[in-house]
Amino acid sequence: KQEVTQIPAALSVPEGENLVLNCSFTDSAIYNLQWFRQDPGKGLTSLLLIQSSQREQTSGRLNASLDKSSGRSTLYIAASQPGDSATYLCAVPSGAGSYQLTFGKGTKLSVIP
Amino acid sequence: EPEVTQTPSHQVTQMGQEVILRCVPISNHLYFYWYRQILGQKVEFLVSFYNNEISEKSEIFDDQFSVERPDGSNFTLKIRSTKLEDSAMYFCASSEGGQYYEQYFGPGTRLTVT
Repeated sequence: KQEVTQIPAALSVPEGENLVLNCSFTDSAIYNLQWFRQDPGKGLTSLLLIQSSQREQTSGRLNASLDKSSGRSTLYIAASQPGDSATYLCAVPSGAGSYQLTFGKGTKLSVIP
Repeated sequence: EPEVTQTPSHQVTQMGQEVILRCVPISNHLYFYWYRQILGQKVEFLVSFYNNEISEKSEIFDDQFSVERPDGSNFTLKIRSTKLEDSAMYFCASSEGGQYYEQYFGPGTRLTVT
């Protein structure tokens, strides 16, 4: 059964700092990995989808990497801003051929002005 | 930019009542999903739907739950007889294709069962 772990559970950084969020998963037979952002009481905003054949995917100040063999992904946020404060979720398919996503519990990021 | 929409944003119901949560997926998407998030917990998969039938469902999705695409645009989740433990945020999602494609989520419906 796929399990996703995100470390740290919470992170507080001063504005302007670069930071890394970590995600690990147990079943490496995945097609892709998705990073989401969730604001309090709100829906999930897709940030990046990284396919299993890719090692990195970039969108603006965000860069996601994927090491499928070791079951790890990182989300790098450059030059953090207070507007980046949110919970960041990582999700992977539950197994080969599965449509369902298994989510981690998330990392709650606070960027202090 | 196209987005998934959900109504209502908040629904309060009494235990034992039936509720229908509604979603309008992105128009050219073919795969539809329901997830839920109990307060403070992980987002959990409920069901996926393709070509007018359920393609996958979780253990949570028991006989009390059903899904339907009643027309070309709406996708609904029905809970027949709500329980206190059904209180959660319910998210609809859609994707253009299957496993290789990005899933796009709606803003959610907060269901409170009293």
